[in-house]
Amino acid sequence: ETGVTQSPTHLIKTRGQQVTLRCSSQSGHNTVSWYQQALGQGPQFIFQYYREEENGRGNFPPRFSGLQFPNYSSELNVNALELDDSALYLCASSYRGTGELFFGEGSRLTVL
Amino acid sequence: QKEVEQNSGPLSVPEGAIASLNCTYSDRGSQSFFWYRQYSGKSPELIMFIYSNGDKEDGRFTAQLNKASQYVSLLIRDSQPSDSATYLCAVNIPTGNQFYFGTGTSLTVIP
Repeated sequence: ETGVTQSPTHLIKTRGQQVTLRCSSQSGHNTVSWYQQALGQGPQFIFQYYREEENGRGNFPPRFSGLQFPNYSSELNVNALELDDSALYLCASSYRGTGELFFGEGSRLTVL
Repeated sequence: QKEVEQNSGPLSVPEGAIASLNCTYSDRGSQSFFWYRQYSGKSPELIMFIYSNGDKEDGRFTAQLNKASQYVSLLIRDSQPSDSATYLCAVNIPTGNQFYFGTGTSLTVIP
């Protein structure tokens, strides 16, 4: 167990809807990053938050947005859902943005 | 060109053999390199990281880094059936705080 928790574990949405995924980081970790993992693929970096500011972003459109709270927990918001957004969304925490990531179990999103 | 490339496999080795997993990366600004293991239906877990050229050993695992060739590898000695998983190579690029994973190599250790 990494101490990183994500919710919900599974959810189903329809195209055009919006979704919010939540993540609590491991104690002592001040950086949270989010990844999208499609079936059979490696995780793709969405963005990273450090001290409540986004300080790194992958190649994802603006409809993917996030927040980090003072307790270092985080949210990932996706607007205007598309079918291709169906994937496992992974949250990872680390200390000061090192690549030593501790992952939660993920939220599996299905868009119909 | 992908930032991180791995042979997708699958790679099969008999129990007790050495498994060799390879990874190349494209950005010469990459500074830190990681190997994660992902069991089917589970999230990735960190098994090794390496920052400097050369070898780094941890138990049955050895990570090798060659920055001139932009090449990272993972050797698993005395492979066990419990090592059967997908191994993900990851690279941290400080510019823009980017973090990239490869597509993973599926390893099966045959008893």
